[in-house]
Amino acid sequence: DAKTTQPPSMDCAEGRAANLPCNHSTISGNEYVYWYRQIHSQGPQYIIHGLKNNETNEMASLIITEDRKSSTLILPHATLRDTAVYYCIVCYGQNFVFGPGTRLSVLP
Amino acid sequence: DTGVSQDPRHKITKRGQNVTFRCDPISEHNRLYWYRQTLGQGPEFLTYFQNEAQLEKSRLLSDRFSAERPKGSFSTLEIQRTEQGDSAMYLCASSLARLGGQETQYFGPGTRLLVL
Repeated sequence: DAKTTQPPSMDCAEGRAANLPCNHSTISGNEYVYWYRQIHSQGPQYIIHGLKNNETNEMASLIITEDRKSSTLILPHATLRDTAVYYCIVCYGQNFVFGPGTRLSVLP
Repeated sequence: DTGVSQDPRHKITKRGQNVTFRCDPISEHNRLYWYRQTLGQGPEFLTYFQNEAQLEKSRLLSDRFSAERPKGSFSTLEIQRTEQGDSAMYLCASSLARLGGQETQYFGPGTRLLVL
């Protein structure tokens, strides 16, 4: 079973920040938090990952709470092309277990 | 583009037929994964290889499924005697595993199988 809990769906206005939450209260000390997204009929696309510190790349920012029991993926300026299912995964090594994810709809 | 590629992208077959899918990983990635994804669900792990060796198989991988990675590069996934329940998207991913390091999996576009 997936070790994460995410809301099934969220809406966001185009141009606004999209904040996608993820709970992972049973995360172990060596487990990373990964985010992927999947646009309809395509393979999952890697977004970002982190262990303890907040991370930022050209796609998104990842904010991990100090106790590491939850995290938030931030898309700073959502566009219509960001409409997708977003998956939060915690893992160490290669054992990726996907949950159902959050379906983000970016609205014009 | 040197990402993960999969072939074919779509396959329609009749129940009882055999099908084979191919995955070409990112060059120099030593690990290769197969996942299955049904409608509305996240991908489910099937099996993975490190170089030529198949190191782990999920209980989802029934006896009708077989995967190979003969030269440690591309991989094939074969389903024998297909059933309607095999209809799904089959995803391949690859990663570069380093000793003591965390790896990131990169996914291909998937092969969508429909069994009639």
